[in-house]
Amino acid sequence: ETGVTQTPRHLVMGMTNKKSLKCEQHLGHNAMYWYKQSAKKPLELMFVYNFKEQTENNSVPSRFSPECPNSSHLFLHLHTLQPEDSALYLCASSLTGGNTEAFFGQGTRLTVV
Amino acid sequence: DAKTTQPTSMDCAEGRAANLPCNHSTISGNEYVYWYRQIHSQGPQYIIHGLKNNETNEMASLIITEDRKSSTLILPHATLRDTAVYYCIVRLWASGGSNYKLTFGKGTLLTVNP
Repeated sequence: ETGVTQTPRHLVMGMTNKKSLKCEQHLGHNAMYWYKQSAKKPLELMFVYNFKEQTENNSVPSRFSPECPNSSHLFLHLHTLQPEDSALYLCASSLTGGNTEAFFGQGTRLTVV
Repeated sequence: DAKTTQPTSMDCAEGRAANLPCNHSTISGNEYVYWYRQIHSQGPQYIIHGLKNNETNEMASLIITEDRKSSTLILPHATLRDTAVYYCIVRLWASGGSNYKLTFGKGTLLTVNP
């Protein structure tokens, strides 16, 4: 248990569906991140939020839409995904600045059919 | 952030020390060395980090060479549960309000055998 909770743990969705991934942390962190891990590939950073403001979008397609209503919650809204978007989606949180570590959730295993 | 080079895979016998090397020859003076691990299909877990001095915590030891161009993560008594992909990451010290980006490579798959 890392203090970062992701729901759901598993999700199967059709290409025309709309779904959302949720992440929450109560560690007092002020930065939150979405990473994607496709099969046999390294983790890829998707989005970064500092103090609820998006500070980085690594050329992620618009069918992925993040939302950060407060420093404790992060969502990833999904719509009209493709089968190649099937992956493990990981949320992480940290303090900004300094050299503390990042804490990761257990991830959501997404399958697009 | 500086690039790192790690062996693709390593084996270790249960109960023995596991020594995982990492090369970061282009590291700059204000970059730290971080180690994370990822057990199959779980989120990465922080292990340890250091700048230039050797570091030890309850999980592992980190040995950084004097020229800082390489480091070794040591798991003193490996168990079967230590089987995972281990990532060596070099990262700038994050100042002020800057965020904590981690750039993951492919890491080393450590397999601990009974």
